[in-house]
Amino acid sequence: DTAVSQTPKYLVTQMGNDKSIKCEQNLGHDTMYWYKQDSKKFLKIMFSYNNKELIINETVPNRFSPKSPDKAHLNLHINSLELGDSAVYFCASSQYSGGNYGYTFGSGTRLTVV
Amino acid sequence: KNEVEQSPQNLTAQEGEFITINCSYSVGISALHWLQQHPGGGIVSLFMLSSGKKKHGRLIATINIQEKHSSLHITASHPRDSAVYICAVRSYNTDKLIFGTGTRLQVFP
Repeated sequence: DTAVSQTPKYLVTQMGNDKSIKCEQNLGHDTMYWYKQDSKKFLKIMFSYNNKELIINETVPNRFSPKSPDKAHLNLHINSLELGDSAVYFCASSQYSGGNYGYTFGSGTRLTVV
Repeated sequence: KNEVEQSPQNLTAQEGEFITINCSYSVGISALHWLQQHPGGGIVSLFMLSSGKKKHGRLIATINIQEKHSSLHITASHPRDSAVYICAVRSYNTDKLIFGTGTRLQVFP
């Protein structure tokens, strides 16, 4: 059973389109995240939700809108896609345990905007 | 300057060699994580440290909170250890995970 699953794994789309990436975790974790990994493999936080509530909202264009229908799901919707949005997007979840937070990552969604 | 710096950026080794990857950070942290990312693959959490040392198989991670420094060691390296190793710290103030730029390790037979 996959702990944090993202769909789709690959997404190729044209500039200007709107697309969504879905994420689900079956670990019972309270907190979920979206991270972006650029072409240089550098990871950066985009959003964090705790129990469906937005906790962290980094300086991300408002074309990116996260949606959390319940604490097991955190979807990412992107409007008017641009070439610079091409990256790998990782979903993750975490839970406080033993004095700190352990993280579990999804396998990533490689988005290519053409 | 990135708040989390790793060295080296790239590392090649012969099978069996002892590997060390270093991570220095400049922010107050509640924990430090070592992550592994295989080519085209997802990210796997290797260790979470807030003090001292942890060992898992051939991997050892240490942290010195006073010096704001951590090391990841791989003993008896193997080609299957080839991956990008990423250091990440959970900021004490912001609760955000801040990532290093990663170390690309290639182990040749």
